Amino acid sequence: GAGVSQSPSNKVTEKGKDVELRCDPISGHTALYWYRQSLGQGLEFLIYFQGNSAPDKSGLPSDRFSAERTGGSVSTLTIQRTQQEDSAVYLCASSPDSVGTEAFFGQGTRLTVV
Amino acid sequence: GENVEQHPSTLSVQEGDSAVIKCTYSDSASNYFPWYKQELGKRPQLIIDIRSNVGEKKDQRIAVTLNKTAKHFSLHITETQPEDSAVYFCAAFSGSARQLTFGSGTQLTVLP
Repeated sequence: GAGVSQSPSNKVTEKGKDVELRCDPISGHTALYWYRQSLGQGLEFLIYFQGNSAPDKSGLPSDRFSAERTGGSVSTLTIQRTQQEDSAVYLCASSPDSVGTEAFFGQGTRLTVV
Repeated sequence: GENVEQHPSTLSVQEGDSAVIKCTYSDSASNYFPWYKQELGKRPQLIIDIRSNVGEKKDQRIAVTLNKTAKHFSLHITETQPEDSAVYFCAAFSGSARQLTFGSGTQLTVLP
């Protein structure tokens, strides 16, 4: 079946512009994570959605970052007034439940702020 | 919340030798411990995982051990090959926070 899908694959934007990154999780997966990965670095946790619970936003680096998950499925990560330091690969992952099972990653969105 | 520490950050081994990567976690309620491999330019993918009710799991050249008392777990790769070169991430799933926390990653290089 289909895996986690992210769009766009690549995004080049001018400094100061807003961007929206989309994640389509695997159907039926209740848990959804967003991570940021700078070149050669680890996975920086951004936000976590689990079912109808309030999201864990503790990893969002500033108030320019926000995320939504509509209908418990598709998620959108929005970065307002982008800065050059926002340039990174943004990865989304989903997993079936909250018990503890494999998380499946999307291919990521490579964001470049010029 | 959960805190996962991973060591070393870089590891170089000769082809055919073994590689060991270690992680510690802080939340005693953590009950699921996956390991992911990320090749250059690719997404992280699960290679092996272990639950808290077992102490060791093996899959061909890869094994994971878990010490719940000490709150640490390790990845062991035997007979390393150049295609094992990648970044490896450990993670712990906290039963209390109900979410997965990743370690900082280990860049493994297998020298031919």
